Amino acid sequence: AQTVTQSQPEMSVQEAETVTLSCTYDTSESDYYLFWYKQPPSRQMILVIRQEAYKQQNATENRFSVNFQKAAKSFSLKISDSQLGDAAMYFCAYRWYGGATNKLIFGTGTLLAVQP
Amino acid sequence: EAGVAQSPRYKIIEKRQSVAFWCNPISGHATLYWYQQILGQGPKLLIQFQNNGVVDDSQLPKDRFSAERLKGVDSTLKIQPAKLEDSAVYLCASSPTLSSYEQYFGPGTRLTVT
Repeated sequence: AQTVTQSQPEMSVQEAETVTLSCTYDTSESDYYLFWYKQPPSRQMILVIRQEAYKQQNATENRFSVNFQKAAKSFSLKISDSQLGDAAMYFCAYRWYGGATNKLIFGTGTLLAVQP
Repeated sequence: EAGVAQSPRYKIIEKRQSVAFWCNPISGHATLYWYQQILGQGPKLLIQFQNNGVVDDSQLPKDRFSAERLKGVDSTLKIQPAKLEDSAVYLCASSPTLSSYEQYFGPGTRLTVT
């Protein structure tokens, strides 16, 4: 069974600094997607960034980038130039590419605080 | 484009009572998901619809939970009777197709069972 592990329940970063959130996963599949979702307090979850497992190049979206290590089954999120609006719960998620469903498997989340 | 709508936003009930949640997905989205998010955990898929058919309900506690999407648009999730451990946020999400990589989430319904 696929599992996603986020070992950092809480993280804190100073405004304008860089922070890295960790995620590891376990799967026997070779084709899959990995995602980072952001869930601000009392607001809906939104997709931050995605990575296709077959791509060697790490995905980037503006201030957000990932470090995808397929052999190590590691998928970390780096937030550069942190802003107050980045404060939220961040979830790492996995989806098998070839599955009959589109089911996401989530980690337990990392609560990020941004200090002014 | 309007997002995924859910109601109510908050609900408090006593154990053994019944409760229903409603979700209206983004217009044109064929796939609809219900997730349960218990405090301190990540969301867990309860049921997934493709149009009005069930794709995956393997983690739905069918003795007390039921869901329907009769016309392939909006959906209702029901709990009857509720237990204390059902206290959670119930998230609805939708995607254009079954193969779409992105799911769009609603604001959720926070259920407290006392």
